[in-house]
Amino acid sequence: GEDVEQSLFLSVREGDSSVINCTYTDSSSTYLYWYKQEPGAGLQLLTYIFSNMDMKQDQRLTVLLNKKDKHLSLRIADTQTGDSAIYFCAESPSNTDKLIFGTGTRLQVFP
Amino acid sequence: ETGVTQTPRHLVMGMTNKKSLKCEQHLGHNAMYWYKQSAKKPLELMFVYNFKEQTENNSVPSRFSPECPNSSHLFLHLHTLQPEDSALYLCASSQEGSGPEQYFGPGTRLTVT
Repeated sequence: GEDVEQSLFLSVREGDSSVINCTYTDSSSTYLYWYKQEPGAGLQLLTYIFSNMDMKQDQRLTVLLNKKDKHLSLRIADTQTGDSAIYFCAESPSNTDKLIFGTGTRLQVFP
Repeated sequence: ETGVTQTPRHLVMGMTNKKSLKCEQHLGHNAMYWYKQSAKKPLELMFVYNFKEQTENNSVPSRFSPECPNSSHLFLHLHTLQPEDSALYLCASSQEGSGPEQYFGPGTRLTVT
């Protein structure tokens, strides 16, 4: 089956690192994604990783993929108040147009 | 701005009303999607259109009727909705064969009274 799970909330202090975790079930997924949703807005693609990679870094963002455990994480370095949002993990099963989303993790950054 | 616009941004309708949601993408993409986002639930894919042809209907009730007149425009026609249909409806687009990214619009917040 297709299922993506995330914890619902994460609270961090400004300047610290945030780590948002995700587990997925479909081992055929070709790509895995992180989307950000700010209040009143749609989803913004932050980054994605191809399934044959185990790490991808993009400025303050680091994505780690453990394909054996079907575990994906997003690390945000030097977290800022503007990073407060809901972060969605998504998988894309191979040969489909579908994105399967998790429930989202609400990140709250406090001063 | 992602290049995907949606109107209206907010809509309140009664259960007997008929209304339509509109999505337009300015990215030259050939695939468009409707998603439903309800509180405390994962995003649910409703419909997929590739090259204006519907390729996915994810068991959506017939009171939701999509229309894709061309590759830039996508509509969701609403008729005799239920209060549980209240949600944020998100449109997205992508270019098949050019990478996996889907670009989302800001959504229409729908309230059914």
